[in-house]
Amino acid sequence: GQNIDQPTEMTATEGAIVQINCTYQTSGFNGLFWYQQHAGEAPTFLSYNVLDGLEEKGRFSSFLSRSKGYSYLLLKELQMKDSASYLCATMDSNYQLIWGAGTKLIIKP
Amino acid sequence: GAVVSQHPSRVICKSGTSVKIECRSLDFQATTMFWYRQFPKKSLMLMATSNEGSKATYEQGVEKDKFLINHASLTLSTLTVTSAHPEDSSFYICSARHPTSGDYNEQFFGPGTRLTVL
Repeated sequence: GQNIDQPTEMTATEGAIVQINCTYQTSGFNGLFWYQQHAGEAPTFLSYNVLDGLEEKGRFSSFLSRSKGYSYLLLKELQMKDSASYLCATMDSNYQLIWGAGTKLIIKP
Repeated sequence: GAVVSQHPSRVICKSGTSVKIECRSLDFQATTMFWYRQFPKKSLMLMATSNEGSKATYEQGVEKDKFLINHASLTLSTLTVTSAHPEDSSFYICSARHPTSGDYNEQFFGPGTRLTVL
């Protein structure tokens, strides 16, 4: 079957660093995406990993280990505007996205 | 580039009426579009894959006659919720696959449509 797990909710402090983990089991694998979604809005693309390793993009970094079925999104220098849900999604062999339930990130001053 | 629009952004209708939601790729041609539904505090649920010029492929449990999808052109797909009922109230989001997005066939999302059925 196909399954994507990520924590339901996390809390962090402004200026700090937070790591959101995602584990997956999918049939076929064409990469893993991280999306940010603010309440009432559509998701916006953050990152894509298809090879093992770390991809860095400004304050956000994403890591993938295909052998472990594991990814994480690392957010540095947290800002209040980073409060949102972060969705992990894998792309299967048919190029369809399989979505995790999302992690609600709460940033406290 | 790669902008996807949806119209309307919000719609309130009476139970029993039909509602049409449009999804447009503004600056690229999308042979494949996707329709998602999202309940509060839940992840996106894929409803159907819309392919230009052919019938949509519906996910298991999604009623084809209830949610009519038409992808008549390379830049437009429509979702019609027929005989809407309060349980159809949800956030509907479309996405379009960019044909030349490199290795990963990235999907670009529309802003979503909030449907409320009274």
